[in-house]
Amino acid sequence: DIQMTQSPSTLSASVGDSVTITCRASQSVGSWLAWYQQKPGKAPKLLIQKASKLEIGVPSRFSGSGSGTEFTLTISNLQPDDFATYYCQRYNTYWTFGQGTKVEVK
Amino acid sequence: HLVQSGAEVKKPGASVKVSCKASGYIFTNYYIHWVRQAPGQGLEWMGWISPNHGGTNYAQRFQDRVIMTRDTSINTAYMELSRLTSGDTAVYYCARGSELRFLGGLDVWGQGTTVTVSS
Repeated sequence: DIQMTQSPSTLSASVGDSVTITCRASQSVGSWLAWYQQKPGKAPKLLIQKASKLEIGVPSRFSGSGSGTEFTLTISNLQPDDFATYYCQRYNTYWTFGQGTKVEVK
Repeated sequence: HLVQSGAEVKKPGASVKVSCKASGYIFTNYYIHWVRQAPGQGLEWMGWISPNHGGTNYAQRFQDRVIMTRDTSINTAYMELSRLTSGDTAVYYCARGSELRFLGGLDVWGQGTTVTVSS
């Protein structure tokens, strides 16, 4: 089965910073890659699918890129509402999540 | 909009059945996925059901323990997990996937159902 590995597991940042989260697949998943944001006690929220397609209503400071086995989620000008845990997920045949990256206050 | 059934407490070896009622869209046009999250852990995908014809696709680790069904007359999907152990203690989410025959992420989520397995 294809494994999804995110790095780092935890990222410390300040408001206004630009942060990048990496997601690597053990085999190519094409562009079938989504990103989610989850806050404590809440259901995940879909941010991006097809590797770089921003969902309607998601701020433009979020961006995704990559294809094949390596993907990135970048948050520019980090806002207080962005401190959360982020997951990548591939979705072809199986919908496998990465282990998550917690973005915390520095 | 997806609304799930309430919290459950089960003994080891028992089964649990969680429901997920959809509204605000055509239920039979979109996959329903199930995802769980153990306390303090990440998200784990369990599988999907096609509400249109009832076809399913289960994650390999749940193949022999999970059954996903649906009742189109009441726009509700169900996930039943059997032979529960303490390792199944988690919040279980249903989520809407893509339109049938397409691939996509999970754009609408239920509120989650806490399942606790304890003797």
